[in-house]
Amino acid sequence: NAGVTQTPKFQVLKTGQSMTLQCAQDMNHEYMSWYRQDPGMGLRLIHYSVGAGITDQGEVPNGYNVSRSTTEDFPLRLLSAAPSQTSVYFCAAATGGDDTQYFGPGTRLTVL
Amino acid sequence: AQSVTQPDIHITVSEGASLELRCNYSYGATPYLFWYVQSPGQGLQLLLKYFSGDTLVQGIKGFEAEFKRSQSSFNLRKPSVHWSDAAEYFCAVGATPGAAGNKLTFGGGTRVLVKP
Repeated sequence: NAGVTQTPKFQVLKTGQSMTLQCAQDMNHEYMSWYRQDPGMGLRLIHYSVGAGITDQGEVPNGYNVSRSTTEDFPLRLLSAAPSQTSVYFCAAATGGDDTQYFGPGTRLTVL
Repeated sequence: AQSVTQPDIHITVSEGASLELRCNYSYGATPYLFWYVQSPGQGLQLLLKYFSGDTLVQGIKGFEAEFKRSQSSFNLRKPSVHWSDAAEYFCAVGATPGAAGNKLTFGGGTRVLVKP
């Protein structure tokens, strides 16, 4: 049972490039979320999903897209990377009954 | 809108001394409160959570937190700090369990440094 996994661990992009951050969970949890972490600001919610086929925006959704075709996977897409998207990105999974969010190890993204 | 404030950005404590981290929240309904710890280069690990009932909550690694509705606070404490407790600590507030996709609002974090 790996919990929540994220790939890649590190990524450097140039401004304007696109990429997808992968997130997978093997806990069969219905809720999944993406957060970004910036110094002094804690974690801010980007997008979340309450189940396969259902997604919604969080606090800072601009510049990011998500989809949820399966319970296990919740990829985050950067359409046209900007330096302001330099951050550490965390994916989390939770179940409605327990409500504990289980976090992945994070992806450190640098946009030049 | 809900919000969380952690007034202390950095705290330095001697090993063996007690630790208290402050957390104040703003939320229109019954809050669901969490403390997470992040060791350097790692993801977030849940220390403890409060949903209802006893206002003093016990967590892992010897931590506890007390919910005080009148003060809108959920402070984290540990009686005797170990060097391995050096990390960043985040307080978070969430909506009703099972509602709104478990969205959490985090405070800015408190970084704890432990002196030998």
